Amino acid sequence: EPEVTQTPSHQVTQMGQEVILRCVPISNHLYFYWYRQILGQKVEFLVSFYNNEISEKSEIFDDQFSVERPDGSNFTLKIRSTKLEDSAMYFCASSLLASSYNEQFFGPGTRLTVL
Amino acid sequence: AQSVTQLDSQVPVFEEAPVELRCNYSSSVSVYLFWYVQYPNQGLQLLLKYLSGSTLVKGINGFEAEFNKSQTSFHLRKPSVHISDTAEYFCAVTKTGANNLFFGTGTRLTVIP
Repeated sequence: EPEVTQTPSHQVTQMGQEVILRCVPISNHLYFYWYRQILGQKVEFLVSFYNNEISEKSEIFDDQFSVERPDGSNFTLKIRSTKLEDSAMYFCASSLLASSYNEQFFGPGTRLTVL
Repeated sequence: AQSVTQLDSQVPVFEEAPVELRCNYSSSVSVYLFWYVQYPNQGLQLLLKYLSGSTLVKGINGFEAEFNKSQTSFHLRKPSVHISDTAEYFCAVTKTGANNLFFGTGTRLTVIP
């Protein structure tokens, strides 16, 4: 069964460093998403991406964040200069279509710890 | 804006007992509602969704949920739980026409042998 994969499973970084979180969406999916969950809080939408462009983003997704689909399989989230408050679990998701009732398939997450 | 409240952060229940996980939402527009489950070290998996039509929705693994518009609720139920149902359960909402999900804080269901 196809699945979304994410690497690494756990990333530890120093404050101010850049990090890149990687995701491989399901191969025939066209829409990609990043969510995050700070410990004990809600899972929050960050950004959606289609056709090599951001289609929607939340207020969390500021200039420190960027997304990219560098090749036909990977989808990355970059945080340019990490802050302590960026520590969270980051989930990647993909869907075949964009419609709001279309199922989003989630990866297992990357736990980011900023020291 | 949409929001979801899951009042119970943890729910312990004995094996073969029934369970209800509560979810309330707020929205000024029409919404779609979802329940996701997360097993340890895995991604979020869709359990069921309400789009329209019958307010009682059946999902995988014997779970069902009922959409109640007047109470703005979408509680998840299972008549008899198994050890394998131990997981984190997330309620989520999205408005029609959007594709970003708004999640609750999750409920950790622990099934006790």
